Amino acid sequence: SAVISQKPSRDICQRGTSLTIQCQVDSQVTMMFWYRQQPGQSLTLIATANQGSEATYESGFVIDKFPISRPNLTFSTLTVSNMSPEDSSIYLCSVGQRNTGELFFGEGSRLTVL
Amino acid sequence: AQSVTQLDSQVPVFEEAPVELRCNYSSSVSVYLFWYVQYPNQGLQLLLKYLSGSTLVKGINGFEAEFNKSQTSFHLRKPSVHISDTAEYFCAVSEDTGTASKLTFGTGTRLQVTL
Repeated sequence: SAVISQKPSRDICQRGTSLTIQCQVDSQVTMMFWYRQQPGQSLTLIATANQGSEATYESGFVIDKFPISRPNLTFSTLTVSNMSPEDSSIYLCSVGQRNTGELFFGEGSRLTVL
Repeated sequence: AQSVTQLDSQVPVFEEAPVELRCNYSSSVSVYLFWYVQYPNQGLQLLLKYLSGSTLVKGINGFEAEFNKSQTSFHLRKPSVHISDTAEYFCAVSEDTGTASKLTFGTGTRLQVTL
């Protein structure tokens, strides 16, 4: 397992601004994943972040809106750019087992956009 | 492509009663199956997982699930629930491709335990 810390745990933001969420893992991992959980919904994968390469985005998500950094094997950031109320969600960082897909999650960052 | 269906969006149950949360999946290849729990205002925690071997898997907090390949199901059960089991439960599947796997989640089932 892994211990994953996210910052901020929650924030209230104004429309049109951007927010960067940080994810720190207590061990070195190759793959880190960013998920979004909209109110009352399930989890949707935004992108997969591998250290040393560009993040891979899922259908419906683009780098301009959700830029990701992965500077080393224990840290990643997700930026939510030019926010609108529709971006109000919980954003979850996770790390996983490469072959089985099992994931370990941080506690999430709850974002409210006014 | 894989998919997961959780038919029940909400399941109300009295404390100490048994409960079953249903999960069905579709995939063209072998799968790994997971149940995650999300307590209010918290992240997701792994309850249990099926990777291979015995089809009956036991998890934390007294939960168990049975993998049924013919029915493509992985229902979660607990013989006697507690108030503290009130949470959102997510079934998830990844495909056994031998390489990096993507986890697909169901829409979740809200378990509400009352006295």
